[in-house]
Amino acid sequence: TQLLEQSPQFLSIQEGENLTVYCNSSSVFSSLQWYRQEPGEGPVLLVTVVTGGEVKKLKRLTFQFGDARKDSSLHITAAQPGDTGLYLCAGGNDYKLSFGAGTTVTVRA
Amino acid sequence: DAGVIQSPRHEVTEMGQEVTLRCKPISGHNSLFWYRQTMMRGLELLIYFNNNVPIDDSGMPEDRFSAKMPNASFSTLKIQPSEPRDSAVYFCASRRGRGTEAFFGQGTRLTVV
Repeated sequence: TQLLEQSPQFLSIQEGENLTVYCNSSSVFSSLQWYRQEPGEGPVLLVTVVTGGEVKKLKRLTFQFGDARKDSSLHITAAQPGDTGLYLCAGGNDYKLSFGAGTTVTVRA
Repeated sequence: DAGVIQSPRHEVTEMGQEVTLRCKPISGHNSLFWYRQTMMRGLELLIYFNNNVPIDDSGMPEDRFSAKMPNASFSTLKIQPSEPRDSAVYFCASRRGRGTEAFFGQGTRLTVV
């Protein structure tokens, strides 16, 4: 059973379109992170959010942490083929860090 | 720093054999994690250490799995005996503290035939 549920599992879009990936949990997290993983590599951190309602922007990526600190979303504007990858959310309390199953995003040129 | 270093990168072994995976975390990082990744189950947390002490091993699937961290610069994950269903990519990650960035190694792709 995944502590963190991600949706959708797969997403295929055309270059220039927007997309949103969701991460939901029944647990409250002190912090939530988003990672991106490319084939043959380990996940790499994109952002950390810690405050309920927080919104962070990283170029074309917008991350939001829910008010109750149980859910988060990742929105990509004008997606590019370079955005293709596996997007993982991760939550932790104390020293533990657990990951969702991930959303595989494919951006077609 | 060279980052988190895992070895070997690939391991093919026969069912019943012992397998040992190795990890060198980033110097100065206090937490170390072992994960297993498969298409079916995603990235599963197996065990994590804080200051070389195992904190939570509830993700270790069976007694065939064991992990040690004898010092701050080295950890092992051992599977004995190995089974085909253990085939997966095993990742080691380390981080400085709570809420900080976790840095991953490149993983060990294990195939048990």
